[in-house]
Amino acid sequence: ELKVEQNPLFLSMQEGKNYTIYCNYSTTSDRLYWYRQDPGKSLESLFVLLSNGAVKQEGRLMASLDTKARLSTLHITAAVHDLSATYFCAVDLEANSKLTFGKGITLSVRP
Amino acid sequence: NAGVTQTPKFRVLKTGQSMTLLCAQDMNHEYMYWYRQDPGMGLRLIHYSVGEGTTAKGEVPDGYNVSRLKKQNFLLGLESAAPSQTSVYFCASTVRGRQTETQYFGPGTRLLVL
Repeated sequence: ELKVEQNPLFLSMQEGKNYTIYCNYSTTSDRLYWYRQDPGKSLESLFVLLSNGAVKQEGRLMASLDTKARLSTLHITAAVHDLSATYFCAVDLEANSKLTFGKGITLSVRP
Repeated sequence: NAGVTQTPKFRVLKTGQSMTLLCAQDMNHEYMYWYRQDPGMGLRLIHYSVGEGTTAKGEVPDGYNVSRLKKQNFLLGLESAAPSQTSVYFCASTVRGRQTETQYFGPGTRLLVL
């Protein structure tokens, strides 16, 4: 069974501190996606990682992909309140545009 | 350039009724997708299309049908709605290449089946 697992499912973060969240998946894939969703809103594409070792950064977020470990990490630098949202990763497990999503990680940044 | 739009935004159906959800994109994308999102879950792929005139099943296709008669439109049909189809439906489109890919999601359609 194809699985995409995210952990933790909920993370309370303190403003100004650094955190890392994880996405692992059960079979080979070289395409991994990160999305952000605010409550009641649609999904916003954050990163598309297309190869082993890919690293992308946007503001306080940095995503990386290790296809051999079947793991992607999303690193948050100096958390701020605006980063509070649910973050989903998704994997194209069969390389045919069929995305399998994780259940999402809800981040909450407290003062 | 409106991106990806969905019609309607919200709908209430009675069990057994039918309806069609419309997804439209003005970016000339080849790939289009229909997902559903249930509370506490990620998105699950219902059907997708890799080009005009083509459709394929996703993870949860039962109870839904789709059509892609025009490149810019992807329709999702419910022939006989069931309460289990209460969900938020998202459409997405993407340009997919070897080194680039960008996905765009529509605003969603909230469907309640009574």
